[in-house]
Amino acid sequence: GAGVSQTPSNKVTEKGKYVELRCDPISGHTALYWYRQSLGQGPEFLIYFQGTGAADDSGLPNDRFFAVRPEGSVSTLKIQRTERGDSAVYLCASSFTGAGTEAFFGQGTRLTVV
Amino acid sequence: AQSVSQHNHHVILSEAASLELGCNYSYGGTVNLFWYVQYPGQHLQLLLKYFSGDPLVKGIKGFEAEFIKSKFSFNLRKPSVQWSDTAEYFCAVTGNNDMRFGAGTRLTVKP
Repeated sequence: GAGVSQTPSNKVTEKGKYVELRCDPISGHTALYWYRQSLGQGPEFLIYFQGTGAADDSGLPNDRFFAVRPEGSVSTLKIQRTERGDSAVYLCASSFTGAGTEAFFGQGTRLTVV
Repeated sequence: AQSVSQHNHHVILSEAASLELGCNYSYGGTVNLFWYVQYPGQHLQLLLKYFSGDPLVKGIKGFEAEFIKSKFSFNLRKPSVQWSDTAEYFCAVTGNNDMRFGAGTRLTVKP
C-alpha cells in the first residue's frame, strides 16, 4: 500500500478484555516496529521485527503483551487482560531494511480501556 | 540499548525567532540519528536524518541539525520559525536494531 495502515483507528474495551491491533506495513519493508505513545510523551519502543522474527522484544512491558508477524508483512499486537494503564496510542512503523533506514509511521490506534 | 534525552519539554517562540532544540543520545556504537515532527492530529513524519558524512544535515521546511560526535548531540535548528512550525518534535536514534525516541519537545510559535 501507499503507507503504513493501522486498524482500528480507535478501540474502546473493558478492563480485562483481550484486544488485537493490526498493522499493515509498506509493501517490501522488512522491518516493522511497534511503539506506545501516551499523552505528552515520546513513542515508547515495544518490539521490532526483521522479517517474521522478533529481533528485539525488550520493550514489551509484561507477558500480557505479544506480537506476531507470521508472513513477514502484516503484524498483530495482542494485549491480554487489558488494564486501564494500557490506554495509549499504539503506533506501528516500517522501514525498508531496518536499523539506519527511515521509518514510516501509521496514524496509530487509540486504545482506551474503561 | 540506546537512549535519547531532549532537554526542552515546551518551547514558546514568536514568529521569525531562531530555534534550537537539544538532543543527546547514549550509545556506544555507530548510530543513525533522526528528527521527526508530529503536527497536531497527524502522524509522525521525518524531518531529517544523519547516517554518515557531513555532520550538518539539512531537512525539509528549512530545518537543519548538526551531529557532534564528541558531545553525543544532534541538535535541531531553524533560523526563522513560522506559526506553521507549531508541533511536537522528536529526536530518535538507531543502533543495531530498534529505534528509540526522546520524550519530545512541544514547540508553540505565536503569530
